Amino acid sequence: GAVVSQHPSWVICKSGTSVKIECRSLDFQATTMFWYRQFPKQSLMLMATSNEGSKATYEQGVEKDKFLINHASLTLSTLTVTSAHPEDSSFYICSAIMTGDLSYEQYFGPGTRLTVT
Amino acid sequence: GESVGLHLPTLSVQEGDNSIINCAYSNSASDYFIWYKQESGKGPQFIIDIRSNMDKRQGQRVTVLLNKTVKHLSLQIAATQPGDSAVYFCAENIAGNQFYFGTGTSLTVIP
Repeated sequence: GAVVSQHPSWVICKSGTSVKIECRSLDFQATTMFWYRQFPKQSLMLMATSNEGSKATYEQGVEKDKFLINHASLTLSTLTVTSAHPEDSSFYICSAIMTGDLSYEQYFGPGTRLTVT
Repeated sequence: GESVGLHLPTLSVQEGDNSIINCAYSNSASDYFIWYKQESGKGPQFIIDIRSNMDKRQGQRVTVLLNKTVKHLSLQIAATQPGDSAVYFCAENIAGNQFYFGTGTSLTVIP
């Protein structure tokens, strides 16, 4: 149980286009999901906290107009990278907390590799 | 709260030996810590957690030690196996349900 999926697993796009990444909790409801980005050989950097039915909370330095987050249901959060540039190329990982779970255990998705050419 | 690092520290151990991976955390108010394992091209996997009211917690083949005085965590893996080769991150919970990840250590197990 507690499986999180991401789609797509790898996407290549041209500079200036927008890309949407989906994060789904497959067998549980998740009021809260998180989005991270990870550059090669570096750690995960928390980008934003996504709460179902409300606006996402962005970490300092993360452009909310560039990284649009929508958490419209208890099993789906989406991250849209708008007007992508090569420096946005990264591994994007989401995680989800089971609704009602007070332990704060996060279940991570497998990640989405974004390459902007 | 973000972790910035240019290079991952590396650790190589012989199969069967014990591994110790260290992590320094930044905030003395952090009260909950988790160790994650990340294999190449995959998302992190939960290994073990510890709360700030504990000094030590043991799991299967893994032990986490917490030293709040010096803000240091360690992960000990007993009888390291090739399948343990991965990058290991500690993550600290400062407030709410958000976690911030440490730099990470790349563990290579030599058969």
